[in-house]
Amino acid sequence: AAGVIQSPRHLIKEKRETATLKCYPIPRHDTVYWYQQGPGQDPQFLISFYEKMQSDKGSIPDRFSAQQFSDYHSELNMSSLELGDSALYFCASSAVGANVLTFGAGSRLTVL
Amino acid sequence: SQQGEEDPQALSIQEGENATMNCSYKTSINNLQWYRQNSGRGLVHLILIRSNEREKHSGRLRVTLDTSKKSSSLLITASRAADTASYFCATDAQLKGEKLTFGTGTRLTIIP
Repeated sequence: AAGVIQSPRHLIKEKRETATLKCYPIPRHDTVYWYQQGPGQDPQFLISFYEKMQSDKGSIPDRFSAQQFSDYHSELNMSSLELGDSALYFCASSAVGANVLTFGAGSRLTVL
Repeated sequence: SQQGEEDPQALSIQEGENATMNCSYKTSINNLQWYRQNSGRGLVHLILIRSNEREKHSGRLRVTLDTSKKSSSLLITASRAADTASYFCATDAQLKGEKLTFGTGTRLTIIP
């Protein structure tokens, strides 16, 4: 069965650079979530989209933005990267009305 | 404030023993879920318990929910080395829709 696909799996950037992470949800899942997980930390909710509209917003820095496209894939754009942005970034999707999230394998961002 | 705090934060037991992890939360919830995460990997949904349920079983997993104490426990019976992972509880607040808020997690190590 198709899972949530994230790319790239690993990304290394310098401070002040820009990074873009992509997420392809499970087919027919119409809600996408982004979470950030620092080393040894719990996943922190960043933002979510339902039917291409932002549905909820968490602790997402102003330097970050995200959107969901017509094919339901989502992209997380991160600018002016800081060392503290180094983390695992997870995308998850769920079907409408469902409470269970299916997570991707994550994108590991390292900022040097 | 932190929603979903697990204790203990780390637990090591011998293979074959039972492992119990606890989670406390602060606000009213619709559901409480438990997820598992292998090191550096995505989170995998284990079990969901609704706010009107008190206990639920799934294979070697047993989850309890006490809404009066705002707490839940996850019991893994007859532990196996492959159960070594971090376990997170996650809640969705009644007023906040679909977003899941994760606790700090319990790192479980099963000693062969």
